[in-house]
Amino acid sequence: DAKTTQPNSMESNEEEPVHLPCNHSTISGTDYIHWYRQLPSQGPEYVIHGLTSNVNNRMASLAIAEDRKSSTLILHRATLRDAAVYYCILRDRGSQGNLIFGKGTKLSVKP
Amino acid sequence: KAGVTQTPRYLIKTRGQQVTLSCSPISGHRSVSWYQQTPGQGLQFLFEYFSETQRNKGNFPGRFSGRQFSNSRSEMNVSTLELGDSALYLCASAGVSMTYNEQFFGPGTRLTVL
Repeated sequence: DAKTTQPNSMESNEEEPVHLPCNHSTISGTDYIHWYRQLPSQGPEYVIHGLTSNVNNRMASLAIAEDRKSSTLILHRATLRDAAVYYCILRDRGSQGNLIFGKGTKLSVKP
Repeated sequence: KAGVTQTPRYLIKTRGQQVTLSCSPISGHRSVSWYQQTPGQGLQFLFEYFSETQRNKGNFPGRFSGRQFSNSRSEMNVSTLELGDSALYLCASAGVSMTYNEQFFGPGTRLTVL
């Protein structure tokens, strides 16, 4: 699986939008972009995933660059509960099983 | 439906002992993966089981082993514990296909080796 690069940490104010970037310049055509987050003292939880088109769900939006070499996870209105480590992960469409986690971005949300 | 459960939640062992951790996946899920999380190495994949067969294995020594039962429950075992095995051990389950379905993680078992 190709590697991803994320900032170590980011800060946001409560109720403001947050844009979490991820670079994946060596992404292949069959790699899906997945985002997971890990709240303090919990296991990771799935946030969203996509291939080429932008994706929306109840938790977040995923904006994927046209060349797919980068993507951005968008939290539309950050809450204190969104403080977590966010992981951007590439998975080949044909791969099975494991996720390869990087260091992720630690998001802090200020009230 | 109930989430992934892991037992015990906390465990303290001494060097040289062995330990068995248990994971009950979400009902209907046939795939179970195990991960180790440490402050230094982050989240690392241990192994994955699907329908009682190990389908994928990470880069860990043979002291780490696992199995899956016919009801999809899984156990992992660590023999001859070392101080460096102190970690949070996470289990994740997924549906029939493990390819790009979301994985559901349990709360983890915190293992401390003294």
